[in-house]
Parts: sequence; structure tokens; C-alpha cells
Amino acid sequence: AQTVTQSQPEMSVQEAETVTLSCTYDTSESNYYLFWYKQPPSRQMILVIRQEAYKQQNATENRFSVNFQKAAKSFSLKISDSQLGDTAMYFCALHPLYGGSQGNLIFGKGTKLSVKP
Amino acid sequence: KAGVTQTPRYLIKTRGQQVTLSCSPISGHRSVSWYQQTPGQGLQFLFEYFSETQRNKGNFPGRFSGRQFSNSRSEMNVSTLELGDSALYLCASSFPIGRESGETQYFGPGTRLLVL
Repeated sequence: AQTVTQSQPEMSVQEAETVTLSCTYDTSESNYYLFWYKQPPSRQMILVIRQEAYKQQNATENRFSVNFQKAAKSFSLKISDSQLGDTAMYFCALHPLYGGSQGNLIFGKGTKLSVKP
Repeated sequence: KAGVTQTPRYLIKTRGQQVTLSCSPISGHRSVSWYQQTPGQGLQFLFEYFSETQRNKGNFPGRFSGRQFSNSRSEMNVSTLELGDSALYLCASSFPIGRESGETQYFGPGTRLLVL
């Protein structure tokens, strides 16, 4: 079974500081993608960052970067210079690539991040 | 490019009724996936359609069904509604061409369904 675990249900950070959200996953597939999505109170799910499992280089998108440890099956998200607009639920998601997995993102339970002024 | 749109945004139904939700993907996207989001179960995959064919289905009862039209728009239907069907229903579209796209899904704003 493919699973995604986010061990931090809630976190808070001061504005302008750095925070790291944890995610571990389990899959027997060697080819897969990993994603972080944010869901603000408006409920719109927004893509934050994407990582291909076959790439060793960690993905970065402006203030967002990941630490991808394939052997440890770990995929953490670092948010630098946190802003009030970063307040949201953050979901880690796994998309294994094998026959029968089309379109199926496997999500963690989410981490609620609050950025405080 | 316009994003994924979903209609209606809010819906109130009573037990036993049926409901149809609509999703229009990003222009050019051919894959549409549907998810149910509840506080207790989190985000759960319902099904995925590509070129009018259901390619994948999650672990939901047969009361949940869907279809996709030739313009890639998709609908999902829930028959004989139960209280437990109250949820946010999200659809997501992607342009699945393997590694180049990264199978990245872009989500709509969701339809919030309340079953009374």
C-alpha cells in the first residue's frame, strides 16, 4: 500500500522566519512524483512545489524548497522568510507511476501552518 | 489560461436525493480526477477520466459515478445521498504526458455539498 504521513498536525512560525514541514511516504515503486500543495481558508488547493523521484536535485520555487531523501522516503518542505499569506493547510502528496495509478494522488493528513505577525 | 472551474460552488441536498457536480478543466488538459475531502477521512481519490474513459477508480460505492465529455469537461454524480456524503468535492485536471508534465494536477475551487 502507498501511504503518506505528515507527523505535524499543526505548526506556527513568526513572520520572516523559516519553518520546515515534514513528510514521509511509503511506496514500492521506483518511479513517482511528490508534491506539496497548500490549501488556504478559501479552500482552493494550490500547487507549491513538485519533485521527480528520479532527480537527485532538490526542487526549489522562490521561498519554497524541499529536502528529498529518497532512501529514507522523506520529503520535507522548507519555507523561508515566512509571510502572513503562507498561513494554510499544507498537504504532501505522492503520485506513483504504475499501471492503474492514473490520476491518483495519495495525500497526507495535512499540516496546519499559522504565520504570526 | 483560465483555471479549473467547478459548479456549483455550494449545494444543499436531503438524504435520498441525487446530485451532479460539474468540472471544466484547464484548456488543453485531458485528464480529470475527482477527490472527496472530509475532516475525518482527509482527501480521498474518487476516479480519473482521460479521453472520455474512466482509467482509475478509488474505493467508493457504486453510488458515486462520473463521466467525461469530448471537450474534457467532467461530471460526477452521487445517487441516494447519505449524510456521510457531506464533503468538499475537488476536481483536478492535468495534461498527462509522462515525465514532462510530472503528472501535475491543478485543482478547482471545489463544490461544498451539505446533505441534510
